[in-house]
Amino acid sequence: GQNIDQPTEMTATEGAIVQINCTYQTSGFNGLFWYQQHAGEAPTFLSYNVLDGLEEKGRFSSFLSRSKGYSYLLLKELQMKDSASYLCAVRGLIGNTPLVFGKGTRLSVIA
Amino acid sequence: GAGVSQSPSNKVTEKGKDVELRCDPISGHTALYWYRQRLGQGLEFLIYFQGNSAPDKSGLPSDRFSAERTGESVSTLTIQRTQQEDSAVYLCASSGYRGENYGYTFGSGTRLTVV
Repeated sequence: GQNIDQPTEMTATEGAIVQINCTYQTSGFNGLFWYQQHAGEAPTFLSYNVLDGLEEKGRFSSFLSRSKGYSYLLLKELQMKDSASYLCAVRGLIGNTPLVFGKGTRLSVIA
Repeated sequence: GAGVSQSPSNKVTEKGKDVELRCDPISGHTALYWYRQRLGQGLEFLIYFQGNSAPDKSGLPSDRFSAERTGESVSTLTIQRTQQEDSAVYLCASSGYRGENYGYTFGSGTRLTVV
């Protein structure tokens, strides 16, 4: 079966750092994605990990441990505009097979 | 086109009516996906098209749901005899077989409300 878990909600302060965790159990693994979704808008691609380790892209970094079935998204120097839902998604097999999404983590950035 | 286009953006329909949702993917993208997102929930996979191969319909929740796509062009998702539990945002995404990490580009979605 496929199971992806992430916290439902998180709150963090403007300028701070926040880490959003994602654990997964899937039949096969060929990559983990993070998407950002602002309220009422479509999800937009943030990051992709297929090998263990940290991928850094500006203020956002994503980490993957395949042996632990674990990933996190790290957001630095938080801004109010980072308030959004963050979706973890896993591709179970090679090619273009459909991503399986977690339920998302709603992040609220407060002043 | 430059992005994934979905229409209509909003649809209110009476229970029992049929609705048709349209998705126009990015030109050249071979793969097209439909997902459903209920209020406050994650994305639920519905159906996947890859080129001219038979679609993966494993996520369709009932036989009231169907979808078509001709080649690598527009797709339509049809919901027959709509029920209130069908109320959700229906998202379409496309990806190129050798696109950036096979990542998806989503359309803005169709918000369906069944009253």
